[in-house]
Amino acid sequence: AAGVIQSPRHLIKEKRETATLKCYPIPRHDTVYWYQQGPGQDPQFLISFYEKMQSDKGSIPDRFSAQQFSDYHSELNMSSLELGDSALYFCASSYGTSSYEQYFGPGTRLTVT
Amino acid sequence: DAKTTQPTSMDCAEGRAANLPCNHSTISGNEYVYWYRQIHSQGPQYIIHGLKNNETNEMASLIITEDRKSSTLILPHATLRDTAVYYCIVSGTYKYIFGTGTRLKVLA
Repeated sequence: AAGVIQSPRHLIKEKRETATLKCYPIPRHDTVYWYQQGPGQDPQFLISFYEKMQSDKGSIPDRFSAQQFSDYHSELNMSSLELGDSALYFCASSYGTSSYEQYFGPGTRLTVT
Repeated sequence: DAKTTQPTSMDCAEGRAANLPCNHSTISGNEYVYWYRQIHSQGPQYIIHGLKNNETNEMASLIITEDRKSSTLILPHATLRDTAVYYCIVSGTYKYIFGTGTRLKVLA
């Protein structure tokens, strides 16, 4: 079965640079979620989109922005990167909301040096 | 803050049932209980979810108490590959709030 695709899988950036992470949801899924997992920490919700509209927002820094496109893929843009942004970034998708379970991608490991 | 409380860690012998408890005493009527697991640094893997009835699938069983304030995930025959961090999540909205989870170690 098709899964959530994230690219790139690994990314190395320097401080103050910009990074763009991409997420391709499972076909027919219309909702996308972004989570950040720092070293030794649990995943933290960043933001979600339903039918291309922002549906919820968590502890996402102002330096980060995201959007969902007409083909339902999503991009997380991160500017003025800081060392503390080094983390695993997971994208998840679901069909609809409420009781529909989320399926997670393999993650993008971002390292900021 | 997470709405769930789980033991920090548990051990289980291979081949035995693993019973992972979760307390969610503040759960609302429209909130579901979801269980995920994360093996090393892989993406969290969906296991099972339920509203108020017990549920079973090919991976596990979910037992929810009648008052819905707690639940138990049961892995009927644990294998070494079930060693992971198990997260119990209560949600009725667009987002999951992860707690600290239970680190399950399956012993040979």
